[in-house]
Amino acid sequence: GAVVSQHPSWVICKSGTSVKIECRSLDFQATTMFWYRQFPKQSLMLMATSNEGSKATYEQGVEKDKFLINHASLTLSTLTVTSAHPEDSSFYICSAFGQDSYNSPLHFGNGTRLTVT
Amino acid sequence: KQEVTQIPAALSVPEGENLVLNCSFTDSAIYNLQWFRQDPGKGLTSLLLIQSSQREQTSGRLNASLDKSSGRSTLYIAASQPGDSATYLCAVSGGSNYKLTFGKGTLLTVNP
Repeated sequence: GAVVSQHPSWVICKSGTSVKIECRSLDFQATTMFWYRQFPKQSLMLMATSNEGSKATYEQGVEKDKFLINHASLTLSTLTVTSAHPEDSSFYICSAFGQDSYNSPLHFGNGTRLTVT
Repeated sequence: KQEVTQIPAALSVPEGENLVLNCSFTDSAIYNLQWFRQDPGKGLTSLLLIQSSQREQTSGRLNASLDKSSGRSTLYIAASQPGDSATYLCAVSGGSNYKLTFGKGTLLTVNP
């Protein structure tokens, strides 16, 4: 089945530094990947849609200059949290449609727990 | 704006019971509805996907139904097991970019 790999699984960084999270589709190509954020006991909130070879589409209220997304190939999307602050501490999850079709199940990575001190 | 609500927020049952999780959504213009399972500190695992033209989907002990006109879906779990303990999330796909909108989930605990 379709596998989405996310790295790192957890990261601790100091306030003001930047952190890069990678999301890879291991056995399929993904022209579109999605980045979500999840706070404790809350639902997943879509941050942005990552499109291979073009600019990401950000949801309302998400700062594109703070959360940089790059989708340079059909199997890799990266999310960089720039100048991280404690309020950016959260669980970040990426996903992609398994058959690169909008009507197929969405497959998720295992998430990245970011803690900013 | 699409809103997804899941009831109950938490459920605790003894092993072997059949149970139903509920999901409702406000905008019936959806492409599909998915049920996911999330274990603590982990990503999501897709359980069932129901297209908007379908009424139900089954996988093993799981059965999901969809009533698009009334904005409701249920996930039925038969003969529950302790390994079923997890958070179950419902999500609907809609809009020009097929965006998924998630509910807050139901935390299920199956006691041995």
